[in-house]
Amino acid sequence: AQTVTQSQPEMSVQEAETVTLSCTYDTSENNYYLFWYKQPPSRQMILVIRQEAYKQQNATENRFSVNFQKAAKSFSLKISDSQLGDTAMYFCAHTGGFKTIFGAGTRLFVKA
Amino acid sequence: GAVVSQHPSWVICKSGTSVKIECRSLDFQATTMFWYRQFPKQSLMLMATSNEGSKATYEQGVEKDKFLINHASLTLSTLTVTSAHPEDSSFYICSAGESGQGRYEQYFGPGTRLTVT
Repeated sequence: AQTVTQSQPEMSVQEAETVTLSCTYDTSENNYYLFWYKQPPSRQMILVIRQEAYKQQNATENRFSVNFQKAAKSFSLKISDSQLGDTAMYFCAHTGGFKTIFGAGTRLFVKA
Repeated sequence: GAVVSQHPSWVICKSGTSVKIECRSLDFQATTMFWYRQFPKQSLMLMATSNEGSKATYEQGVEKDKFLINHASLTLSTLTVTSAHPEDSSFYICSAGESGQGRYEQYFGPGTRLTVT
């Protein structure tokens, strides 16, 4: 069975600072994908970053990067130079066998 | 990226009636679509996986006779909430999966807010 755990219900960060959101997962799949999604107040799901489990190199996307520790089943998201527009819910997700399971989410507040 | 639309974006219906939500992939063919339900301040819960031309696969605890899913074409899946009750009020999100060349991506619709009075 797949599970995704986000242990930080809420976090806040000062504008321009760096913040790390945690995520751990459990899976029985050998091939899988990991994602971070952003959900702003509009509730539209926006892909932030993806990681293929077979790739050892951590994914980066501009100000967003991940720390993927496959053996530890950990997949944290680092947001650098935080901006006010980064305020949103962030969901960690695992896709294996074409089934996606989401974590409970972390609400991030970026303060001016 | 690919676009997924949902219609309607919000709907209010009376208890006991049925309501249909459409999910369309606008610029790609989606052999697999997914339906999620999201309560306020909670995560997305997968309800069912919809495959074109075949019956949907429902997650444990989801009533297949209450939440009817039809995936009649490669660009359209529908979710019908039958005999709706106030507890069915929620935000429903569909998504379409696309895979190939070692990568997988899921495109999400904007969601449908259902209120049952």
